[in-house]
Amino acid sequence: EAGVAQSPRYKIIEKRQSVAFWCNPISGHATLYWYQQILGQGPKLLIQFQNNGVVDDSQLPKDRFSAERLKGVDSTLKIQPAKLEDSAVYLCASRIPSGTGELFFGEGSRLTVL
Amino acid sequence: AQSVAQPEDQVNVAEGNPLTVKCTYSVSGNPYLFWYVQYPNRGLQFLLKYITGDNLVKGSYGFEAEFNKSQTSFHLKKPSALVSDSALYFCAVRATGAGKSTFGDGTTLTVKP
Repeated sequence: EAGVAQSPRYKIIEKRQSVAFWCNPISGHATLYWYQQILGQGPKLLIQFQNNGVVDDSQLPKDRFSAERLKGVDSTLKIQPAKLEDSAVYLCASRIPSGTGELFFGEGSRLTVL
Repeated sequence: AQSVAQPEDQVNVAEGNPLTVKCTYSVSGNPYLFWYVQYPNRGLQFLLKYITGDNLVKGSYGFEAEFNKSQTSFHLKKPSALVSDSALYFCAVRATGAGKSTFGDGTTLTVKP
């Protein structure tokens, strides 16, 4: 079974530039999450999708972050414009809709904002 | 709101000794509890979970965890540590019926030969 795919693995940008991250979840996993992991901290939820609908985006800084999952499969997270404090690893995770399911994580996309 | 506390940033044990990584949680209603492990420059990998039933759950690589409802704890344990167990460990909680998992800030486990 293929895992959660993410790209790019690493990205370095200047502040005020834009960046986009892509995620392809495990086949059949209707629930998809984007987490932000700052060095030394645990993952913090940015947004949760169920199929192509947003379930929870209460922690997403909507003035600069956006995410979409147009066909209910892969997803894109965009930051525009980036700030220094956005330097982090962006983790995509997916699971089956059953409430007891564990999360399957991708390798993450490490963003450095200079 | 749900939350997780991992009171120890770092746990050091000698190879062959038992290990415990602590986790306490706060959630409304019955919890689903999870442990994940993260190796350098990798995503998180699932170790084990408590959903219901037996308070002692067994998972991958010989790890187990004990759910204690009265103490709202879910400590990770292993009877005999290996050097290869050295990694960053995260505890997570999800309320029954909720979609969101909340993670602790992690505990770095170092097992010395």
